[in-house]
Amino acid sequence: TQLLEQSPQFLSIQEGENLTVYCNSSSVFSSLQWYRQEPGEGPVLLVTVVTGGEVKKLKRLTFQFGDARKDSSLHITAAQPGDTGLYLCAPTTYDSWGKLQFGAGTQVVVTP
Amino acid sequence: GAVVSQHPSRVICKSGTSVKIECRSLDFQATTMFWYRQFPKQSLMLMATSNEGSKATYEQGVEKDKFLINHASLTLSTLTVTSAHPEDSSFYICSARSGTGGRETQYFGPGTRLLVL
Repeated sequence: TQLLEQSPQFLSIQEGENLTVYCNSSSVFSSLQWYRQEPGEGPVLLVTVVTGGEVKKLKRLTFQFGDARKDSSLHITAAQPGDTGLYLCAPTTYDSWGKLQFGAGTQVVVTP
Repeated sequence: GAVVSQHPSRVICKSGTSVKIECRSLDFQATTMFWYRQFPKQSLMLMATSNEGSKATYEQGVEKDKFLINHASLTLSTLTVTSAHPEDSSFYICSARSGTGGRETQYFGPGTRLLVL
């Protein structure tokens, strides 16, 4: 089982500020997915990154996949209260048969 | 994106009873579905992989006789928590895998909150 680290565990910021969440491992990922989960609901897929060095943007969210495909980051610009939620990274490795092993998650709270 | 439903969304049962949770892919066929459990303020923990037409594959530490999984069709997987006890109280979430050839995506259901009294 890969060792997956997600940081920080908790982030509380004011509306309009920027934030970055990190997902790191010693294993090489075939792909990595970022999800956002709100209380009492299932995770919602934000993005899938596949290629090393890849950068994807989703409105104010920027996702980056490390060149070596061992790490990823999620950056939110000018955060809004609607960005509040639990952000989860979930990589797949070549030998995981498509199974997702979730990171511990980063709880983000954006206050008005 | 693809839609996955779960039923029921919330269930309360007495200790010792069995509870069945359904997971359906509504607009696509899923040969593989996954079951997760999530405790408060924690991340999702994979319990098992449900394969249509074959036995489920359980993660280490998950009792297959306690958490029975049946994947009888390409759009339905069920998880039965047998002889439930208070420690089984949790948020159970399923996902269904869509796509093939390295472009697969997992879509999650809304979850089922189980409370065992």
